[in-house]
Amino acid sequence: NAGVTQTPKFQVLKTGQSMTLQCAQDMNHEYMSWYRQDPGMGLRLIHYSVGAGITDQGEVPNGYNVSRSTTEDFPLRLLSAAPSQTSVYFCASRSPGYTEAFFGQGTRLTVV
Amino acid sequence: GQQLNQSPQSMFIQEGEDVSMNCTSSSIFNTWLWYKQDPGEGPVLLIALYKAGELTSNGRLTAQFGITRKDSFLNISASIPSDVGIYFCAGQGTNAGKSTFGDGTTLTVKP
Repeated sequence: NAGVTQTPKFQVLKTGQSMTLQCAQDMNHEYMSWYRQDPGMGLRLIHYSVGAGITDQGEVPNGYNVSRSTTEDFPLRLLSAAPSQTSVYFCASRSPGYTEAFFGQGTRLTVV
Repeated sequence: GQQLNQSPQSMFIQEGEDVSMNCTSSSIFNTWLWYKQDPGEGPVLLIALYKAGELTSNGRLTAQFGITRKDSFLNISASIPSDVGIYFCAGQGTNAGKSTFGDGTTLTVKP
């Protein structure tokens, strides 16, 4: 059972570099979300999608782009990494009529 | 935007003690959820609440959806060492695509 798969698990970037965090789910869930988790601040919503071709901003979208070309994949792009983006990133998916969200294991990103 | 205030921020308890934590919001939610996060893992759902006043149990865990729809609490009875982790509340409002999370309660259980 793959569930939600995030890659990579760890990444170190230099300030100004770009990269894409990958998220894939094999449960045919329509809803997918990206969160960042910082110490003592819980999970903050970056972007979310309610279906292929549909995305919207969450609480902290600045500095991040997303797209949803397929149901399975929801990549998160950092166009120009900044130290303030050092965090643990979680991707989650769920079905519309069923509220449980399934989370990936996270990507720990450090920007130096 | 919607914000959840979760308390306490951390708890240090003895094995066997009961634990209580709660979440309050300035906005109404249609669904309240409680998750647990183990170190190095993503959160996992413990209990989901769908109606105001609802009281739901899952083993030693009991959660309630507040009557005002602006709060929820989670109780853990007879704590054990594997209860250690971060507990998050989350609320879902009219925008079904979004879940808002509290800042978490870090639980430490001393044997």
